[in-house]
Amino acid sequence: DGGITQSPKYLFRKEGQNVTLSCEQNLNHDAMYWYRQDPGQGLRLIYYSQIVNDFQKGDIAEGYSVSREKKESFPLTVTSAQKNPTAFYLCASLDRGQEKLFFGSGTQLSVL
Amino acid sequence: AQSVTQLDSHVSVSEGTPVLLRCNYSSSYSPSLFWYVQHPNKGLQLLLKYTSAATLVKGINGFEAEFKKSETSFHLTKPSAHMSDAAEYFCVVSRPNTGFQKLVFGTGTRLLVSP
Repeated sequence: DGGITQSPKYLFRKEGQNVTLSCEQNLNHDAMYWYRQDPGQGLRLIYYSQIVNDFQKGDIAEGYSVSREKKESFPLTVTSAQKNPTAFYLCASLDRGQEKLFFGSGTQLSVL
Repeated sequence: AQSVTQLDSHVSVSEGTPVLLRCNYSSSYSPSLFWYVQHPNKGLQLLLKYTSAATLVKGINGFEAEFKKSETSFHLTKPSAHMSDAAEYFCVVSRPNTGFQKLVFGTGTRLLVSP
């Protein structure tokens, strides 16, 4: 069953702590994306990666970091520098031929 | 620069009645336009897209949208609402051939369907 898997579904962060959100896809897509969703707002792009070992900052990259060591995996780390991390985080990958984004089910991050 | 405005934050309909979710866009270029649906605590799913072919676009689950350049609109419609249509809907604009890192999402419209 192909798709994008995000884990965990819920995550809690203590002040000063870094946390990592997992995103795995078995769709063989080159491009992957991380978005942040806040209530009443549209999705905002944090980071994206067009290909393995390459990634670019999106519109709100401060306080976040990513890696892309494997095609299937695009983990997002929320660092202690991100002062307002509470949000719903969505990972996506792109089918270039169909011009279609495939989304995971998201991770809800909250601050303790 | 591009932007998209979803004119209603909430829309309430009764099951079996028509659905209209409104979206206006602003773009310096001929845009690509999309509608995505998000069910609670889920990721987004593509409903339909417009990429400069036919102005009336048909999507999944009986939804369709019409691109009207003169009105800069891309409203989403469905003739008859079903309970399972209750969700949040996002209108999205993109500049063609710039890659999906240039997507601009609207703030969403929550569709409520009553029996």
